[in-house]
Amino acid sequence: NAGVTQTPKFQVLKTGQSMTLQCAQDMNHNSMYWYRQDPGMGLRLIYYSASEGTTDKGEVPNGYNVSRLNKREFSLRLESAAPSQTSVYFCARGDGFNYGYTFGSGTRLTVV
Amino acid sequence: EDKVVQSPLSLVVHEGDTVTLNCSYEVTNFRSLLWYKQEKKAPTFLFMLTSSGIEKKSGRLSSILDKKELSSILNITATQTGDSAIYLCAVEGDSGYSTLTFGKGTMLLVSP
Repeated sequence: NAGVTQTPKFQVLKTGQSMTLQCAQDMNHNSMYWYRQDPGMGLRLIYYSASEGTTDKGEVPNGYNVSRLNKREFSLRLESAAPSQTSVYFCARGDGFNYGYTFGSGTRLTVV
Repeated sequence: EDKVVQSPLSLVVHEGDTVTLNCSYEVTNFRSLLWYKQEKKAPTFLFMLTSSGIEKKSGRLSSILDKKELSSILNITATQTGDSAIYLCAVEGDSGYSTLTFGKGTMLLVSP
């Protein structure tokens, strides 16, 4: 989606491998988010960042770490991937009150 | 903990029908309720409803917020096959820092 770019779009990992999902916004908005989406579970918040240099846990943070090095970029890291982390991951930026969030196009991750 | 329940979970209608999707919520210090449409990839923003804006309309889509009943409906009139998607409801609270809590979604299929 225009405005939030995620890479990669697809990834297959073996159990125990690590990887980082990248996310970048083309605006200078403060808030950014990482969600995962599983069938029948909706979107669940993993971590969020209210501003550059700050991060907080969401509903399902276990097994993940995040990094907000600058205002544009918010990355999600899996240190030791597990099959339970097979999911579609969405990064989003907050567009301010009354405008909701803009989501990236997602990363489909499979852990075997 | 904020909670959002959507119903029905799935729905099949014929082109031209009118559909009503439901969303109920429990949230600390309600701030807003948002509706998103998700086709193959990322959710796209439809409406935001707040205490000062309880009804929104855009073309064939409309939404109403009932703050007494802690619920919202999304109406789609004269449905088209292009309306087939997952419709997500989310609420934003105001307990410290705002994040969105999503429901599990309603999968709508419009058959020709």
